[in-house]
Amino acid sequence: QVTLKESGPGILQPSHTLSLTCSFSGFSLSTYGMGVSWIRQPSGKGLEWLASIWWNGNTYNNPSLKSRLTVSKDTSNNQAFLKVTSVDTADTATYYCAHTNWEHWFAYWGQGTLVTVSS
Amino acid sequence: DVVLTQTPSTLSATIGQSVSISCRSSQSLLDSAGNTYLYWYLQRPGQSPQLLIYLVSNLGSGVPNRFSGSGSGTDFTLKISGVEAEDLGVYYCMQATHAPLTFGSGTKLEIK
Repeated sequence: QVTLKESGPGILQPSHTLSLTCSFSGFSLSTYGMGVSWIRQPSGKGLEWLASIWWNGNTYNNPSLKSRLTVSKDTSNNQAFLKVTSVDTADTATYYCAHTNWEHWFAYWGQGTLVTVSS
Repeated sequence: DVVLTQTPSTLSATIGQSVSISCRSSQSLLDSAGNTYLYWYLQRPGQSPQLLIYLVSNLGSGVPNRFSGSGSGTDFTLKISGVEAEDLGVYYCMQATHAPLTFGSGTKLEIK
């Protein structure tokens, strides 16, 4: 059974760096073809793919966020991480992590964690 | 970026009615290996999205067979054959053929 759970600061100030953790079970990020993706959703709005990290360490980021995103993983502890630098109010959203493989993109989702950027 | 246009934006249906949602892409979603990475998700109120359909027409795990997907190239359709009360929510299409991955703007299904 695949489960994922996001954790984060809840609230942070503009210009700071957002750090999120995705803790998962039921699969391993050392297994060929496995990946974890990050998606966000501002309240009442649509979904935006942010980044994905794969079993081999390859990462892919949405260029719309330029170089503000960093994804990484800790395979031994079944965790993936997302950092977003220089946040502003436009980054206020619910952030989801999701299980990914080449055929089943976002087959399983975490419950999401709400991040509010406010001074 | 690939733009996915979903229509309608809102859909109102009675229980048992069959409905369809369209997703049109600004570029063909067929890749050079012959795969089409088009997906459908349902986000029920207050919940995370769930995968309904993968690779255009394949039913996700545990998804009822009243859901079906079809299409090719740039035109895709999600059909619900006999809407049930639990089907209310927002439906999104998503493409993973071209980077960056993009979602449609969503179709809200309301139950009359």
